[in-house]
Amino acid sequence: DVKVTQSSRYLVKRTGEKVFLECVQDMDHENMFWYRQDPGLGLRLIYFSYDVKMKEKGDIPEGYSVSREKKERFSLILESASTNQTSMYLCASRGGAGDGAFFGQGTRLTVV
Amino acid sequence: KNEVEQSPQNLTAQEGEFITINCSYSVGISALHWLQQHPGGGIVSLFMLSSGKKKHGRLIATINIQEKHSSLHITASHPRDSAVYICAVRTGTASKLTFGTGTRLQVTL
Repeated sequence: DVKVTQSSRYLVKRTGEKVFLECVQDMDHENMFWYRQDPGLGLRLIYFSYDVKMKEKGDIPEGYSVSREKKERFSLILESASTNQTSMYLCASRGGAGDGAFFGQGTRLTVV
Repeated sequence: KNEVEQSPQNLTAQEGEFITINCSYSVGISALHWLQQHPGGGIVSLFMLSSGKKKHGRLIATINIQEKHSSLHITASHPRDSAVYICAVRTGTASKLTFGTGTRLQVTL
């Protein structure tokens, strides 16, 4: 089974802190994604990566950055956390164009 | 208007009922995904389809490319089917998915 693992299920951080959300996949997938999910808005793409050290902005990249130093790991970074970044964060990975997407279990981040 | 619209937003059914969730989209797509999200957050991919119909157990997904519409059916529903069901589309060879806002299903005894 493909496994996409996010480092934390729940996180509470203070405003202004630097926050790292880690995602690891074990299927050698090229494509990895970070989404946030908010009530009434569905999943929105923050950033994605189609190869090591490659990244592209999604629909809502402001306030976020990413890092992909190794194929299996895709990190989401909140440089200075703010309360409007309180959300559920979901990581996903996918192989080729004809493949389905596999999601992590989500990280519920609260910024206080 | 969202590119992907789902209906209904909320659905309550009794155990054993036949359930239909609808997804309409406004763009040309290369594939459509149905996803299931249980309380707690994790998302599971149910189907990926680009034409016709797929079946897995009690779940059936259909798509009509000309009408830009897909349906997810659950036969003989059970309380363990209670979850949020999400439709997502991919256009061309793009890696990005565009998501609907989900249908929250509650199946009661």
